[in-house]
Amino acid sequence: DTGVSQNPRHKITKRGQNVTFRCDPISEHNRLYWYRQTLGQGPEFLTYFQNEAQLEKSRLLSDRFSAERPKGSFSTLEIQRTEQGDSAMYLCASSLDRGNSPLHFGNGTRLTVT
Amino acid sequence: QQQVKQSPQSLIVQKGGISIINCAYENTAFDYFPWYQQFPGKGPALLIAIRPDVSEKKEGRFTISFNKSAKQFSLHIMDSQPGDSATYFCARGAGNNRKLIWGLGTSLAVNP
Repeated sequence: DTGVSQNPRHKITKRGQNVTFRCDPISEHNRLYWYRQTLGQGPEFLTYFQNEAQLEKSRLLSDRFSAERPKGSFSTLEIQRTEQGDSAMYLCASSLDRGNSPLHFGNGTRLTVT
Repeated sequence: QQQVKQSPQSLIVQKGGISIINCAYENTAFDYFPWYQQFPGKGPALLIAIRPDVSEKKEGRFTISFNKSAKQFSLHIMDSQPGDSATYFCARGAGNNRKLIWGLGTSLAVNP
């Protein structure tokens, strides 16, 4: 399967714990995005990478959130001191570095904070 | 701030019928209007997209109609099938598509 891969698929954690998610984009895609989706809502943009450079961060991304793409390939999203409001589906997408190239989404990591 | 208004929130259609989902936007500084389809437990998948210099685009049973003056665009699904049952999202993007803004979604159920 050469699509976008996200791990884990599900994560249950206690409030206050740190969690880290991984995204492996489609190999030739330079752009990588993180979105968050809650029930009944469309995805909300969190952050965007062009190769290894993080070019944009949403105001939704508090100081507890950090994302990296160290070698311009896979990316990690870490949430420190999780809160119940962090419970959501975290979606990763990738695209070619070309105009409005379509975003290809992974199947997400569903986070539940108890 | 919801900058793409999508309706209806849910839709039930009989097999073979036409499903119509509408979206309206406020800011004209966008040049890319995609529609995504999402099945439960899956990420969204691009269905069809349009640019504002085109009034209509058709791909198979799926058609986007774009009304620039009214700032509206719609998705028509012809000959709707039970396998089309999913949530559909419209979105808008600007520039290099770095940050899509999404509607709230329409849950479509196609009865057999």
